[in-house]
Amino acid sequence: GNSVTQMEGPVTLSEEAFLTINCTYTATGYPSLFWYVQYPGEGLQLLLKATKADDKGSNKGFEATYRKETTSFHLEKGSVQVSDSAVYFCALINAGGTSYGKLTFGQGTILTVHP
Amino acid sequence: GAGVSQSPSNKVTEKGKDVELRCDPISGHTALYWYRQSLGQGLEFLIYFQGNSAPDKSGLPSDRFSAERTGGSVSTLTIQRTQQEDSAVYLCASSLFDRVRIYGYTFGSGTRLTVV
Repeated sequence: GNSVTQMEGPVTLSEEAFLTINCTYTATGYPSLFWYVQYPGEGLQLLLKATKADDKGSNKGFEATYRKETTSFHLEKGSVQVSDSAVYFCALINAGGTSYGKLTFGQGTILTVHP
Repeated sequence: GAGVSQSPSNKVTEKGKDVELRCDPISGHTALYWYRQSLGQGLEFLIYFQGNSAPDKSGLPSDRFSAERTGGSVSTLTIQRTQQEDSAVYLCASSLFDRVRIYGYTFGSGTRLTVV
């Protein structure tokens, strides 16, 4: 089956620090990969995505590259801000064939950024 | 509508009572999903709708949980005889079925259910 594993949190950083949140996956075929973000008290928002190997998704200064050889989709940001404090979820969709496109999530990583 | 709308945003209910949670997906989105997020836990899949049918109900925790979708649009998640362990945020999401790999899902803001 499909699964997503994220690095355990919480992650605590100072403002302007470099961020990496590791994500690896297990899936058959060629899944699409996503990062969702959940700010305090809000719903899930799509942060970025990549639909095929070597694609790089980017948004709001965050980046992630779809690495098929290492089955990874690590989230990075060069300089975090206090406003980036949130829970980050790595996820995959494996659609096609008999799969309808169920979104499989990692367990989430809490990020706290201090001034 | 412009986004996925869920109501109520908060619901407090007494143990043993039934509750109904509503989801209004984005207009034209044929696929609809319910997830649950318990405190300190990840996201738990509950059920998937394609149109009005539910080909995957595998995530429903017990027979106290049921869901329906009418007119290919609004969906209702019903929990009968609520228990304290049902307390969670219930999230609804929708997508275009044939574009899900490209666009992913759009989530609503959720319904926070508290069973006292």
